[in-house]
Amino acid sequence: AQSVTQLGSHVSVSEGALVLLRCNYSSSVPPYLFWYVQYPNQGLQLLLKYTTGATLVKGINGFEAEFKKSETSFHLTKPSAHMSDAAEYFCAVGGSQGNLIFGKGTKLSVKP
Amino acid sequence: EAEVAQSPRYKITEKSQAVAFWCDPISGHATLYWYRQILGQGPELLVQFQDESVVDDSQLPKDRFSAERLKGVDSTLKIQPAELGDSAMYLCASSLEAARGIYNEQFFGPGTRLTVL
Repeated sequence: AQSVTQLGSHVSVSEGALVLLRCNYSSSVPPYLFWYVQYPNQGLQLLLKYTTGATLVKGINGFEAEFKKSETSFHLTKPSAHMSDAAEYFCAVGGSQGNLIFGKGTKLSVKP
Repeated sequence: EAEVAQSPRYKITEKSQAVAFWCDPISGHATLYWYRQILGQGPELLVQFQDESVVDDSQLPKDRFSAERLKGVDSTLKIQPAELGDSAMYLCASSLEAARGIYNEQFFGPGTRLTVL
């Protein structure tokens, strides 16, 4: 069975600082991995996804994530945080029916 | 830009009452999902449709929840009777056909926030 663990329910960074949101997965098959962002009272929006091929995946809004099989990790990074990045971020792994299994989320705060 | 529509956006009800949520997916999307998101947690799949057929409803509490997608387009999720623990955000998403090994992007609606008093 697939599962996702996001380390840290709340991360706070200063504007301009590096953003690092951690995600570890468990999967019995080669995983498909995703990061979604959710702004208050809105649905989720896809940031990026890993299916096969290149392990460094670039997404929207300057985010990227690296798939590390040996560490079963798919951490999300952004070199320089912007105030507009404040939101909740969810890591997900593909389920058996093309569905998604989400982690509990990490709320990112950006201080001016 | 095409979007997933959901209504109502907010619903307050008393326990033991019936509630219904509606979702209109992006045109042409064969797969429709209903997720429940409890405050402070990630979305959990309740039911997945492929056209009008249920693909997965293993996490749907069938004693009180029902879902339908009669014409393979829009969908309704119903709770009867509502319980206090049902308070959550109910998210609908749609995608092109999904299957094992096929993960087309899921597009999410804005959700319906349910509060059960």
